[in-house]
Amino acid sequence: GIQVEQSPPDLILQEGANSTLRCNFSDSVNNLQWFHQNPWGQLINLFYIPSGTKQNGRLSATTVATERYSLLYISSSQTTDSGVYFCAGGYGNKLVFGAGTILRVKS
Amino acid sequence: DTGVSQDPRHKITKRGQNVTFRCDPISEHNRLYWYRQTLGQGPEFLTYFQNEAQLEKSRLLSDRFSAERPKGSFSTLEIQRTEQGDSAMYLCASSLVGDAEAFFGQGTRLTVV
Repeated sequence: GIQVEQSPPDLILQEGANSTLRCNFSDSVNNLQWFHQNPWGQLINLFYIPSGTKQNGRLSATTVATERYSLLYISSSQTTDSGVYFCAGGYGNKLVFGAGTILRVKS
Repeated sequence: DTGVSQDPRHKITKRGQNVTFRCDPISEHNRLYWYRQTLGQGPEFLTYFQNEAQLEKSRLLSDRFSAERPKGSFSTLEIQRTEQGDSAMYLCASSLVGDAEAFFGQGTRLTVV
């Protein structure tokens, strides 16, 4: 089956810093989503981005489908950005998730 | 629309007991998915429904697991004879069609003691 690799696995930032999270796929995917998992476990939708670039406030994402990767950019990080970020690719009839990036933003 | 809703949020059960979880998807969504997430891992696909038809089951879904979606609305996931290895977060998601954006519920955290 498809493999989804997220990097880095852990990231510690000072408040105000910028960061880039990466997601690589071993095979082509039908769609791609980025999520932020809150402390209570719910997956919050950040981006639905099968290809191209989207921006939402301090967050933006780029997917290069032909090269099987996606990037999530977080600018001017805040402590509330802390948590686990997942990417997931649509493969067949399901989403296949990476292992996540744990982000800690220190004040 | 209030989004995808799951009940209960938490469940503690003794090994060997049966448990049932409920998921109410976003009302117009045809697709409903169940995923399982263990500590430190990303969610893993269990099964999905297109309306009331269960169209795919993961090999993770042992014979002790059964899911239904009567009338194509809410869904239930039952685990029979629970084992400690079943302890996990069970997540439900829904989408309008197959490749459309999926939205997740708050999850049901199961602890088997």
